[in-house]
Amino acid sequence: AQSVAQPEDQVNVAEGNPLTVKCTYSVSGNPYLFWYVQYPNRGLQFLLKYITGDNLVKGSYGFEAEFNKSQTSFHLKKPSALVSDSALYFCAVRDIRDSNYQLIWGAGTKLIIKP
Amino acid sequence: GAGVSQTPSNKVTEKGKYVELRCDPISGHTALYWYRQSLGQGPEFLIYFQGTGAADDSGLPNDRFFAVRPEGSVSTLKIQRTERGDSAVYLCASSSVGAAQGYEQYFGPGTRLTVT
Repeated sequence: AQSVAQPEDQVNVAEGNPLTVKCTYSVSGNPYLFWYVQYPNRGLQFLLKYITGDNLVKGSYGFEAEFNKSQTSFHLKKPSALVSDSALYFCAVRDIRDSNYQLIWGAGTKLIIKP
Repeated sequence: GAGVSQTPSNKVTEKGKYVELRCDPISGHTALYWYRQSLGQGPEFLIYFQGTGAADDSGLPNDRFFAVRPEGSVSTLKIQRTERGDSAVYLCASSSVGAAQGYEQYFGPGTRLTVT
């Protein structure tokens, strides 16, 4: 069965420090991987994706994520956190063989950046 | 360009009533999805449209839920005989079907449904 795990309900980081939000996945075939961010009372915003190619993917707002096939992980990172990065982050995966484009979503990680 | 829009932004209804939630996708996007999201949880898939047809409605929880997309653009999610457990934020997303895009979905702001 396909699944996504975000092992941390909440991550606390001091402003200016590097941040990592973890995501691991399980699919039968090769994955498409996505990160989305949700600010309070707002819809989900697309941050970045891994489709193929370079394992390090760069996205919006200075975020990046590294695809690690052997560890089935796709952790979200940022070198220097901003208070405005505080939000809810969701990882999602789709098996590339899946023709109906349905995403499997993690439960989300709340990121809190303290000044 | 305009993003995905959803109306109303908030809807309060009484138990047993009928509600309609509207989604207007990004122009040209052929794929449209409905999700619902409860507080502190990830989106729960409801239904996926490719053009006018429902390609996957496996996420609809029961026959009180129905969605249409008659002209392949705007979609309406319909809920009959609402129950308090239907209270959630209903999200709509659309995507462009093309290998270059990699199928990322663009979400609307959601409709917060409260059943009293």
